[in-house]
Amino acid sequence: DAKTTQPNSMESNEEEPVHLPCNHSTISGTDYIHWYRQLPSQGPEYVIHGLTSNVNNRMASLAIAEDRKSSTLILHRATLRDAAVYYCILSEPRVAGGTSYGKLTFGQGTILTVHP
Amino acid sequence: NAGVMQNPRHLVRRRGQEARLRCSPMKGHSHVYWYRQLPEEGLKFMVYLQKENIIDESGMPKERFSAEFPKEGPSILRIQQVVRGDSAAYFCASSPIVGTSWGYEQYFGPGTRLTVT
Repeated sequence: DAKTTQPNSMESNEEEPVHLPCNHSTISGTDYIHWYRQLPSQGPEYVIHGLTSNVNNRMASLAIAEDRKSSTLILHRATLRDAAVYYCILSEPRVAGGTSYGKLTFGQGTILTVHP
Repeated sequence: NAGVMQNPRHLVRRRGQEARLRCSPMKGHSHVYWYRQLPEEGLKFMVYLQKENIIDESGMPKERFSAEFPKEGPSILRIQQVVRGDSAAYFCASSPIVGTSWGYEQYFGPGTRLTVT
């Protein structure tokens, strides 16, 4: 799977927007872009994913560059509960056993600190 | 709707013993993934299972590790003759599958933290 590059850490103030960047210059045409986050001593939590178009859900927005070589996760109003490690992951669907599935490989991610 | 459940949350084993980790997927999910997170590292894929079938075990160590997902009951990750290097957090995830389209999210459990003494 193609690699992603994220800043080691970022800081934000509560109730301000946060833009978390991710570079993936070697992305293939079939790679989906996934974002997960992980709080200490917890399992990862799905945030959002996309392929080519920008995506919005109740948690966040995902802005994907036109050439797909980078993307940005946008938290519109950061809260203290958003403090976590955020992972940007590329994953290509695989087919076996009659269905598609995906393997996620987590890198080091971005440690987001939110200040009150 | 209960989330993915894993037990035990913490497991201590002496070198040479067996470790059994259990995972119950979310209701309605019949596909399970297992991941391992070694200290100071990111999660790494181990195995993907459907009910009664191992679909992809490319991330499983060749020896001592096995996984199953029986028709009834939870998925089990079994580690025989544990060594100190097996100490890690083991996470399972489940996903909904609709037809053959993918891109659906994986829902993770809280993990089992295995310590080998």
